[in-house]
Amino acid sequence: GENVEQHPSTLSVQEGDSAVIKCTYSDSASNYFPWYKQELGKGPQLIIDIRSNVGEKKDQRIAVTLNKTAKHFSLHITETQPEDSAVYFCAADSGSTLGRLYFGRGTQLTVWP
Amino acid sequence: SAVISQKPSRDICQRGTSLTIQCQVDSQVTMMFWYRQQPGQSLTLIATANQGSEATYESGFVIDKFPISRPNLTFSTLTVSNMSPEDSSIYLCSVGPYRLQTDEAFFGQGTRLTVV
Repeated sequence: GENVEQHPSTLSVQEGDSAVIKCTYSDSASNYFPWYKQELGKGPQLIIDIRSNVGEKKDQRIAVTLNKTAKHFSLHITETQPEDSAVYFCAADSGSTLGRLYFGRGTQLTVWP
Repeated sequence: SAVISQKPSRDICQRGTSLTIQCQVDSQVTMMFWYRQQPGQSLTLIATANQGSEATYESGFVIDKFPISRPNLTFSTLTVSNMSPEDSSIYLCSVGPYRLQTDEAFFGQGTRLTVV
């Protein structure tokens, strides 16, 4: 099955700085790569996703890039704010079962005011 | 996005007992999944809940411990049986594809289970 690696496990930035989280995956059949934000006591919330036919996608302060050849994708958050503090998970689909995801281990992002 | 109601939101249970978690979706979905998130860890898939047939379990998870029902396209239950403290986790229901979307997976708020 798919193996998703995520780095770093913790990330601390000053408010206004950028944050970058990187993930790699193993299964070349994966075509869908979502990112989730999980706040304390809540379920994961989809914040952005990218499909294999696209190299980059942006939504306001959040962007995701995908390098399918190298099998890695990254989340970029610019102008970080304290409310961005949360655990972020990357994921990759199974390539065969719609909706079934493989998750990275998560990154605890802390944004200091 | 999908509206997923998961109940209960949290519970504290005695070891040896069982707890059934419910997941209700506001629209018919093809796939429903149950994940476990142990403290400080990532999400691990327990099983895929199939409508009209037995659930498909991932390696390390068995039906006797985690029986699942899926009576229709909007509802599923997960039971955690004969609980031990090691079962203390967040249990999450996920659905996909949702309506006309083909890939997105959405999650309920989770059930935070503590076994004492």
